Amino acid sequence: GNSVTQMEGPVTLSEEAFLTINCTYTATGYPSLFWYVQYPGEGLQLLLKATKADDKGSNKGFEATYRKETTSFHLEKGSVQVSDSAVYFCALSDNSSASKIIFGSGTRLSIRP
Amino acid sequence: DTAVSQTPKYLVTQMGNDKSIKCEQNLGHDTMYWYKQDSKKFLKIMFSYNNKELIINETVPNRFSPKSPDKAHLNLHINSLELGDSAVYFCASSPEITANYGYTFGSGTRLTVV
Repeated sequence: GNSVTQMEGPVTLSEEAFLTINCTYTATGYPSLFWYVQYPGEGLQLLLKATKADDKGSNKGFEATYRKETTSFHLEKGSVQVSDSAVYFCALSDNSSASKIIFGSGTRLSIRP
Repeated sequence: DTAVSQTPKYLVTQMGNDKSIKCEQNLGHDTMYWYKQDSKKFLKIMFSYNNKELIINETVPNRFSPKSPDKAHLNLHINSLELGDSAVYFCASSPEITANYGYTFGSGTRLTVV
């Protein structure tokens, strides 16, 4: 079945460091891929998405590129801020007629001032 | 105006009780979902409704019963609550039956069973 694997956390970085959170997926067909962010005590918010191979999603300085050859959708940011501290979820939707989003296990990111 | 709103935000109750969680969306979306997030942050889909019709029903104990009176509302009723039901329950909506556009989530209901 479809699944998402992302790097385990917690990830702790200093402010202005470069961020990469790895994500790989297993799916039949051509899923849509997402990154969601969850701040403490809140629901998940869509951060970015990509719907086909080689698409790049971007938002708030975060980027991820849909790589079909490596079945990956790694999240990157060039310079993180304390306010980026949150849990990040990689996810996919299988594009079937009654599809659902399957989430990875989440990666907790902490940024030190 | 909150796009997807859930009530209550917190719910503490004793084992064996019956409780309900309500969800409303004002986005005009056709499809609504319930997810359960456990203490390790793992998210698992429970149910999905499209325009009041149940379309996804994962392996969930039959103590959990969703109800959608109209496409803007999706409620979750839980009978005979157990300790293992303690979790955060999220409601979400999407514009159509495929989830390609992603979801809009509510802020969650933290259920604690004591």
